[in-house]
Amino acid sequence: EPEVTQTPSHQVTQMGQEVILRCVPISNHLYFYWYRQILGQKVEFLVSFYNNEISEKSEIFDDQFSVERPDGSNFTLKIRSTKLEDSAMYFCASSEGRGGRQETQYFGPGTRLLVL
Amino acid sequence: GDSVTQMEGPVTLSEEAFLTINCTYTATGYPSLFWYVQYPGEGLQLLLKATKADDKGSNKGFEATYRKETTSFHLEKGSVQVSDSAVYFCALSTGTGRRALTFGSGTRLQVQP
Repeated sequence: EPEVTQTPSHQVTQMGQEVILRCVPISNHLYFYWYRQILGQKVEFLVSFYNNEISEKSEIFDDQFSVERPDGSNFTLKIRSTKLEDSAMYFCASSEGRGGRQETQYFGPGTRLLVL
Repeated sequence: GDSVTQMEGPVTLSEEAFLTINCTYTATGYPSLFWYVQYPGEGLQLLLKATKADDKGSNKGFEATYRKETTSFHLEKGSVQVSDSAVYFCALSTGTGRRALTFGSGTRLQVQP
């Protein structure tokens, strides 16, 4: 069964450093998403991406964040200058793109980011 | 804004016990409702969903009914197994151009043999 994959599974970085989290969505999906979950808190939406541009973003997704589809398979989340409060589990998801609000989003296993 | 409220966990049950995990929501428009499950070390997996009032979603013995009058989507299973031990997330999507999921805080279920 096709699945969303994410790398790395864990990343430790120093405050102020740039990090890139990588995702490979399901191959025929058109919408891609990033969510994060700070330890002990809710899963929060960051951004959605369609047709090579941001479709929707939350208040969390400020200028420190960017997303990119550098090739036909990868989808990345970049944090330019990490802060302590960016420490969280980051989930990538993808969906077919034909079902609107009813559509199932398929999630990857997550990348645990720790900023020291 | 949109929000989802779930019962606090952990919920600890013995095998074959009846499970209810409460979920209520606040949303504009007519949301779709979802239950996702996260097994240890894995990502979020869709368990079931319902897209309009009075719809019942079901999968793997789990059920949830979309109740517009009480803005609820409670998850139930008649007889839990040890393998059901996981974290369960209730979520909604309001559509109207938005696809973002709004999640509840998650409820950890522990099933003891």
